[in-house]
Amino acid sequence: EAQVTQNPRYLITVTGKKLTVTCSQNMNHEYMSWYRQDPGLGLRQIYYSMNVEVTDKGDVPEGYKVSRKEKRNFPLILESPSPNQTSLYFCASSSQGEMGYGYTFGSGTRLTVV
Amino acid sequence: KQEVTQIPAALSVPEGENLVLNCSFTDSAIYNLQWFRQDPGKGLTSLLLIQSSQREQTSGRLNASLDKSSGRSTLYIAASQPGDSATYLCAVRRSSNYQLIWGAGTKLIIKP
Repeated sequence: EAQVTQNPRYLITVTGKKLTVTCSQNMNHEYMSWYRQDPGLGLRQIYYSMNVEVTDKGDVPEGYKVSRKEKRNFPLILESPSPNQTSLYFCASSSQGEMGYGYTFGSGTRLTVV
Repeated sequence: KQEVTQIPAALSVPEGENLVLNCSFTDSAIYNLQWFRQDPGKGLTSLLLIQSSQREQTSGRLNASLDKSSGRSTLYIAASQPGDSATYLCAVRRSSNYQLIWGAGTKLIIKP
């Protein structure tokens, strides 16, 4: 089944403790992206990657890191999490093409930083 | 700058009614437009994708239309059911890159 898999689904951590949220897709998509969703603010893009070893900042990159060493994986790293990073996080992927393909989203990771 | 607006922000209707959700965008230079459904605290499920060259797409009881010239898309839901209750989001993909511009969503409640 074609899908984007995020782990973990739920995570509670303490301020300053480094964490990684994994994202993997099995559709051979070039493009991958991370979003956070907060009440009243909607979906905001954190980082995106156009292909392996190519990443760029989205609208809210502060406090986050990403890497794209393999096409299928795009982990989100919080080096020193803070309470304002408590949010619902989504990973998404899409393919290139003249017609413009749609996005597939993971099931989300609910992160709480205390 | 592309902006996406969804009206109404919330909608509550009795079961069985046909309904229309609206999405408008300010820049007609889009690659495609995608409608998503989100259940509370859950992920985003893609419902319909309309390419910039298309006028509409249908899936079951759902029909999405696109009018680029007027900057509008509508999501038509026929014979609504309580299971259709969710937040519906539209997102526009820019022609120049992969970035999605999101509407704020319409929260739909279907009353039994």
